[in-house]
Amino acid sequence: AQSVAQPEDQVNVAEGNPLTVKCTYSVSGNPYLFWYVQYPNRGLQFLLKYITGDNLVKGSYGFEAEFNKSQTSFHLKKPSALVSDSALYFCAVRAEYTGTASKLTFGTGTRLQVTL
Amino acid sequence: KAGVTQTPRYLIKTRGQQVTLSCSPISGHRSVSWYQQTPGQGLQFLFEYFSETQRNKGNFPGRFSGRQFSNSRSEMNVSTLELGDSALYLCASSLDGAPAQPQHFGDGTRLSIL
Repeated sequence: AQSVAQPEDQVNVAEGNPLTVKCTYSVSGNPYLFWYVQYPNRGLQFLLKYITGDNLVKGSYGFEAEFNKSQTSFHLKKPSALVSDSALYFCAVRAEYTGTASKLTFGTGTRLQVTL
Repeated sequence: KAGVTQTPRYLIKTRGQQVTLSCSPISGHRSVSWYQQTPGQGLQFLFEYFSETQRNKGNFPGRFSGRQFSNSRSEMNVSTLELGDSALYLCASSLDGAPAQPQHFGDGTRLSIL
């Protein structure tokens, strides 16, 4: 069975500082990895994905994520946080080998709080 | 391009009733998935439809059902509502459900059971 762990319920960072939101995964075979963000009373917004290729993936709003196969991690990063980045962030994994039979599995979410 | 549209946004029901939620995917998207989001269980996959057929199913009781129409619009039905069904129900669409494709989510229907 596949799974995603987001070890931090909340991450606090000051505006202008770099931020990291951690994610580790477990899946058979090659993973497809995704990050989503959820603002209050809204659905999930897609930020970025890792399919194959470069381990550093760039996404929307200045976010990037680093894929590390040996550590089975896919941490979300941003060089300079904004107050408007405060939201709930979800990491998700899907297995490549089962094709359309695979399901998207989400982590429990990490609340990012950016303060002035 | 319009995003995923879910109606209604809010719904209040009582135990034992049934409810139908609607989802219109992004134009051209043929795969529609449904998720239940609760504070305790997080995001849980309900089912996926593609070309009017249920392709994948999560671990929910038979009270939860869905269907997809020829225009790719989807509905989800929950019968004999229980207090524990109170949740945000999210619909997501993608072109054809291939695992590399990101899913695009609607803003959800918040269902409250009294």
